[in-house]
Amino acid sequence: DAGVIQSPRHEVTEMGQEVTLRCKPISGHDYLFWYRQTMMRGLELLIYFNNNVPIDDSGMPEDRFSAKMPNASFSTLKIQPSEPRDSAVYFCASSSTARDGEAFFGQGTRLTVV
Amino acid sequence: GNSVTQMEGPVTLSEEAFLTINCTYTATGYPSLFWYVQYPGEGLQLLLKATKADDKGSNKGFEATYRKETTSFHLEKGSVQVSDSAVYFCALTSHGNNRLAFGKGNQVVVIP
Repeated sequence: DAGVIQSPRHEVTEMGQEVTLRCKPISGHDYLFWYRQTMMRGLELLIYFNNNVPIDDSGMPEDRFSAKMPNASFSTLKIQPSEPRDSAVYFCASSSTARDGEAFFGQGTRLTVV
Repeated sequence: GNSVTQMEGPVTLSEEAFLTINCTYTATGYPSLFWYVQYPGEGLQLLLKATKADDKGSNKGFEATYRKETTSFHLEKGSVQVSDSAVYFCALTSHGNNRLAFGKGNQVVVIP
């Protein structure tokens, strides 16, 4: 398996624009997580899904953030409108109930909002 | 709820020195415990894990033992290399829920 695949790797956008981050989890995994990492706040869990259903979105900072998982092999995190304080590295991770919760992370998307 | 506490601050040490990073946890039931490592510019990757009390996880010369009596999972390596410079995260999950609770991470810098 190629691991968790995120795209794009880097995104630079202007304030007010819509940004969509994409994630392909490892095949067969039933959990998918979206994290945000910044120097100031460290690693934050934004939302996670189990069997494509959102379980906990309490980490989503504002209504400007939304996430979907239309099927087991694809998820998106959307920010609309984007703001400079959204600049961060966004990670997607997936895991399987059968593997003691061991999570596999993607390489991340570095988002810069100017 | 579940939580993980790591020692404060970065760790700077010389090559071949002994490394210890402390990790303690609070959890209901019997969690699985993990150490993740993040090299510069990369995502987190699993370093080692332990799923029950007294288990020892090991990988790449790193070790950690699941201590239920002290609710700890300290990471150790006997002789670090420059290539071990990274950020190390302690984490746990509870049975029936794959949600990971992470510590804040420790930056480790190994100087030649």
